[in-house]
Amino acid sequence: RKEVEQDPGPFNVPEGATVAFNCTYSNSASQSFFWYRQDCRKEPKLLMSVYSSGNEDGRFTAQLNRASQYISLLIRDSKLSDSATYLCVVNPPGGFKTIFGAGTRLFVKA
Amino acid sequence: NAGVTQTPKFRVLKTGQSMTLLCAQDMNHEYMYWYRQDPGMGLRLIHYSVGEGTTAKGEVPDGYNVSRLKKQNFLLGLESAAPSQTSVYFCASSYEAVGLAGATDTQYFGPGTRLTVL
Repeated sequence: RKEVEQDPGPFNVPEGATVAFNCTYSNSASQSFFWYRQDCRKEPKLLMSVYSSGNEDGRFTAQLNRASQYISLLIRDSKLSDSATYLCVVNPPGGFKTIFGAGTRLFVKA
Repeated sequence: NAGVTQTPKFRVLKTGQSMTLLCAQDMNHEYMYWYRQDPGMGLRLIHYSVGEGTTAKGEVPDGYNVSRLKKQNFLLGLESAAPSQTSVYFCASSYEAVGLAGATDTQYFGPGTRLTVL
């Protein structure tokens, strides 16, 4: 089993739709969680951290479910500019072992 | 403020050739990292550095060497390139040590180097 698993997609949604991605992780002792965004042929950039209580940043909501060992990202009112690959990132214990998921591709269509 | 820069952006090598990838950051970050990204896989850590003059192995260090002679620069070397090293290489830096318990700091990535080994 991979340490971090994501549905590769692609998710094809119309503008204005709500879309959700999940990411599962195998190490129950993992401490920190993030969502990064990567545009085609570009570098990854931090989208948001994921806190235990859940957090929201505009149209984006991230949640953590420790019992089931997954994190989620919800995008409301999708924009064309949201088209990208979304990377789930998990920090298991032990230091300097950031684990990146392979990413979920999102296409938002007009 | 350029952030993290990488040179070169593209390179084609023949098997057995050597090359050095240069990463530079102007954010005065202590921590720097080299990753490779392959299709269908997440970024994998090759080597990292916790400060000037220090380096350490990551998840996939074989076939690579690194040096951090200056705080702002982190070099990745391939002594004898192999086709399996065809990949996109990303350098990153951070103010805090990512991957530690409770770490919330982001990593800032360079634009990447696309390397093909024939």
